[in-house]
Amino acid sequence: GENVEQHPSTLSVQEGDSAVIKCTYSDSASNYFPWYKQELGKGPQLIIDIRSNVGEKKDQRIAVTLNKTAKHFSLHITETQPEDSAVYFCAPNTSGTYKYIFGTGTRLKVLA
Amino acid sequence: EAGVAQSPRYKIIEKRQSVAFWCNPISGHATLYWYQQILGQGPKLLIQFQNNGVVDDSQLPKDRFSAERLKGVDSTLKIQPAKLEDSAVYLCASSLAPGRPQDTQYFGPGTRLTVL
Repeated sequence: GENVEQHPSTLSVQEGDSAVIKCTYSDSASNYFPWYKQELGKGPQLIIDIRSNVGEKKDQRIAVTLNKTAKHFSLHITETQPEDSAVYFCAPNTSGTYKYIFGTGTRLKVLA
Repeated sequence: EAGVAQSPRYKIIEKRQSVAFWCNPISGHATLYWYQQILGQGPKLLIQFQNNGVVDDSQLPKDRFSAERLKGVDSTLKIQPAKLEDSAVYLCASSLAPGRPQDTQYFGPGTRLTVL
């Protein structure tokens, strides 16, 4: 089945620094690549997504880059703020369907 | 716009008891999902409904889990009997379009189940 790995599992950065989280997947048919943010006691919330025909997408301080050949995509957060502290999940779809396989998560701590 | 509502937020039961969770999706959303999130892991899809029909329940442990979505709106997920390994957060999500891969899924706050 689909294998999805995230690295690192935990990440601590100083406020204002950048953070990068990488997601590696195995299904070559995946064509949709979202990133979710989950705060304590809440459900995951979509923060950015990218489709397979695009290499990069940016939305203010967050960006996602996709390398379909190498089967990985990354979340980039610039000018980090304490409110960015959360667990981040990648969730590529399987075989071009609606079904998302969530990664194991990355806990980001932004130190003030 | 109101989000996905779930209740209860927390539930503690003993093993072999039964429990039910309720979900009210965003108004007008045709697709509804139930996920199980074990501590320290990402959510895992249990079942997907399209209106009131089941689209995918391949990962639902059918010997003890059941779910229904009456009238294509609210949904309930039941566990009977519960096992210790069922301790997790049960998340409900909904989306507008019928399961297109780029369709955004909106998640509720989840129900945290503890089985003693």
